[in-house]
Amino acid sequence: ETGVTQTPRHLVMGMTNKKSLKCEQHLGHNAMYWYKQSAKKPLELMFVYSLEERVENNSVPSRFSPECPNSSHLFLHLHTLQPEDSALYLCASSSVGSNTEAFFGQGTRLTVV
Amino acid sequence: AQTVTQSQPEMSVQEAETVTLSCTYDTSESDYYLFWYKQPPSRQMILVIRQEAYKQQNATENRFSVNFQKAAKSFSLKISDSQLGDAAMYFCAYSLPSGTYKYIFGTGTRLKVLA
Repeated sequence: ETGVTQTPRHLVMGMTNKKSLKCEQHLGHNAMYWYKQSAKKPLELMFVYSLEERVENNSVPSRFSPECPNSSHLFLHLHTLQPEDSALYLCASSSVGSNTEAFFGQGTRLTVV
Repeated sequence: AQTVTQSQPEMSVQEAETVTLSCTYDTSESDYYLFWYKQPPSRQMILVIRQEAYKQQNATENRFSVNFQKAAKSFSLKISDSQLGDAAMYFCAYSLPSGTYKYIFGTGTRLKVLA
């Protein structure tokens, strides 16, 4: 399997639930990203991991908790979300140091009810 | 801070015609990269074309080409011979050279292709 794969594709959760989004890349990249995509807004960079170390955390509420156990996997743990957190969550990866673009997964459409 | 602006929320083009999508950006850097991504209904962002700021020659990929005006900080995408499969959201993006991790995106332009 190649590319960036995200699961699940769709997720509906209540405000008291705990769920996790998963991202996997088989491109040999050393950086992974979580973006939030909401309608009519620019993509919002949430977290960046490089060589499994978090290097960017853009003032994201603590109800979002990232985890990068190795260079191929990235998780976003969700708990006590709000309806305004409903969005498309995109994972991406890139090879820092080789001047390439970011490669994206197909996203998880999250709905908080 | 770097910003990317796409002033056209939506554009339409007749099949086989040419359309140009606009993008402007703001940066104080001299070395950076610019990208156009396509996001079809499948939602996966796919790279269409990239441009290195130090290169004066405009990038071209088959029917896709850019007009890169560094002094004006403008980076437009031209799609020639538009096809139905070109219908998608198009995002302009900016990044600094490797090592800074940041890709900054515009709000996107929805392109409709009319048969």
